[in-house]
Amino acid sequence: ETGVTQTPRHLVMGMTNKKSLKCEQHLGHNAMYWYKQSAKKPLELMFVYNFKEQTENNSVPSRFSPECPNSSHLFLHLHTLQPEDSALYLCASSQDTWTDIGTGELFFGEGSRLTVL
Amino acid sequence: QKEVEQDPGPLSVPEGAIVSLNCTYSNSAFQYFMWYRQYSRKGPELLMYTYSSGNKEDGRFTAQVDKSSKYISLFIRDSQPSDSATYLCAMSPYSNTGFQKLVFGTGTRLLVSP
Repeated sequence: ETGVTQTPRHLVMGMTNKKSLKCEQHLGHNAMYWYKQSAKKPLELMFVYNFKEQTENNSVPSRFSPECPNSSHLFLHLHTLQPEDSALYLCASSQDTWTDIGTGELFFGEGSRLTVL
Repeated sequence: QKEVEQDPGPLSVPEGAIVSLNCTYSNSAFQYFMWYRQYSRKGPELLMYTYSSGNKEDGRFTAQVDKSSKYISLFIRDSQPSDSATYLCAMSPYSNTGFQKLVFGTGTRLLVSP
């Protein structure tokens, strides 16, 4: 496995379900991110972890709960979601958040397409 | 007003055409400018980045930044069907205190027909 891997690729859940999205990076990076991508909207940063510590929470509702057990793995736990939470959830990694952003290089996974019924 | 404005398209061109993709922005603090390419059912990948104003060329791709007009462009020469994708502009201010948040445009969908 190389790069950033996300599972599952597709997920359908009811509003009362609990599910989790998983992300794993094989790049030796220290920073990991969750982004939300909705149709006709910009990529929306949700959470940032640097060396396993959460450094950014972009005012995300508590029904989304991130977990970063180590620098290679990132989870997004989902609970009591709303239909408007249906979107593509992208995980990304970078060397760390202190690296000169001039390279701007985030490495993205292929995303988990979430549908909330 | 959105911080970054980008026409969603789709932009349809014939193979071999020169393509111009653009973004405007409102935050004069932005110093770093990037273009990401996203193929269907894939995550975005970094295509080009530039710092401050000026041009940068990489093969068939040229990125241009005009800070006085708050306008950035990506030019694709001799476009190919394999260039069909969504192109996202992204930008951030400089910060020496750590995390620099990237602000993305909505993306422009490009279709290059054979």
